[in-house]
Amino acid sequence: GAVVSQHPSRVICKSGTSVKIECRSLDFQATTMFWYRQFPKQSLMLMATSNEGSKATYEQGVEKDKFLINHASLTLSTLTVTSAHPEDSSFYICSAYGTGTSRYNEQFFGPGTRLTVL
Amino acid sequence: GNSVTQMEGPVTLSEEAFLTINCTYTATGYPSLFWYVQYPGEGLQLLLKATKADDKGSNKGFEATYRKETTSFHLEKGSVQVSDSAVYFCALTLLGGSQGNLIFGKGTKLSVKP
Repeated sequence: GAVVSQHPSRVICKSGTSVKIECRSLDFQATTMFWYRQFPKQSLMLMATSNEGSKATYEQGVEKDKFLINHASLTLSTLTVTSAHPEDSSFYICSAYGTGTSRYNEQFFGPGTRLTVL
Repeated sequence: GNSVTQMEGPVTLSEEAFLTINCTYTATGYPSLFWYVQYPGEGLQLLLKATKADDKGSNKGFEATYRKETTSFHLEKGSVQVSDSAVYFCALTLLGGSQGNLIFGKGTKLSVKP
């Protein structure tokens, strides 16, 4: 149990377009979801924290108008990269925790989405 | 600030060799410490954790002891297997054990050869 999926796993887009990444908790209710960004050979950097039904809390330096996060249900959060540019190319990872798992305060991670902006 | 530093990889070992991956931390408060593992093509999984000084986390033959005096949480395994090949991340959180706002090290890639 406690599986988190992400879709798509890989996406290539043109500069100026928007890309939506989905994060789903498959067998538990995710009251909180986190979005991370990982550059090659770098740490995972927390971008934002979202609680179901409320606005996301963004980390310092993360543009909330560029990285739109929606957590409209207990099983789905989306990250939309608006007007993407090559510097947005990265590996985006979501995680979630919530009720319905045996370790409710443990974060469960998705497999990540590789975004390449041409 | 708060940060995690772990040894750079990649680390290549033969099967049944002893593994140590060093991890040290800097924290303004009293952190909980974690090791996560990421197998190829999969998401990060919690491997083990420790929430207070001198605690030892253990799982699947891996161990790590929370050393407050040296601000370290080194990962060890006495005999690695090919199936242990993965990327290992050391992490901390300052929000008790609630797993909020994890701060990660850069990750250490381990390759185990038969």
